[in-house]
Amino acid sequence: GAGVSQSPSNKVTEKGKDVELRCDPISGHTALYWYRQSLGQGLEFLIYFQGNSAPDKSGLPSDRFSAERTGGSVSTLTIQRTQQEDSAVYLCASSRDPQETQYFGPGTRLLVL
Amino acid sequence: QKEVEQNSGPLSVPEGAIASLNCTYSDRGSQSFFWYRQYSGKSPELIMSIYSNGDKEDGRFTAQLNKASQYVSLLIRDSQPSDSATYLCAVNFFNTGNQFYFGTGTSLTVIP
Repeated sequence: GAGVSQSPSNKVTEKGKDVELRCDPISGHTALYWYRQSLGQGLEFLIYFQGNSAPDKSGLPSDRFSAERTGGSVSTLTIQRTQQEDSAVYLCASSRDPQETQYFGPGTRLLVL
Repeated sequence: QKEVEQNSGPLSVPEGAIASLNCTYSDRGSQSFFWYRQYSGKSPELIMSIYSNGDKEDGRFTAQLNKASQYVSLLIRDSQPSDSATYLCAVNFFNTGNQFYFGTGTSLTVIP
């Protein structure tokens, strides 16, 4: 019955370092989404998984961003060589079916110094 | 270009009044529509989903969908200060492999 969980909740890193963000969706949810939200801005779609496959990677901002999902469950979003403009809240959401309601995790607040 | 448009606000209403939030979308084939509420510093949480033309009521909230006009709205009756938040409209665009597009949100303030 647990909701979507994300870790870490906060991450401070230095410019140029790699970071890995984790999302644990609701059990049984086949669809998983990653979004980015900068301060005072709307949600920016990054990537969507159906099972372990990512039919749509068009939202990834650059080739420094990658994501994977294993076992139809946990997903990781990796940002290589972080830049200051990567600072944002990274939100993960999951849904039972791609057309159904998405439930959001608490987010990871990333600050790149 | 898939678009979901919302007035950014801020929208201010007195306590007890009706707040009306509007959203238009570009893809006529869209089938799923959602309203989320986001408090400052928190994640979005679902208020309502609507799939068919017409009205759907849940407590003080009513979602209205008009697919012909590509318009979805959210009415909040008897607005409370606790309703003060940003309201996000989300649309599932049928032709893009189930990608959800979110509007930029409307900021609502309910004045006691």
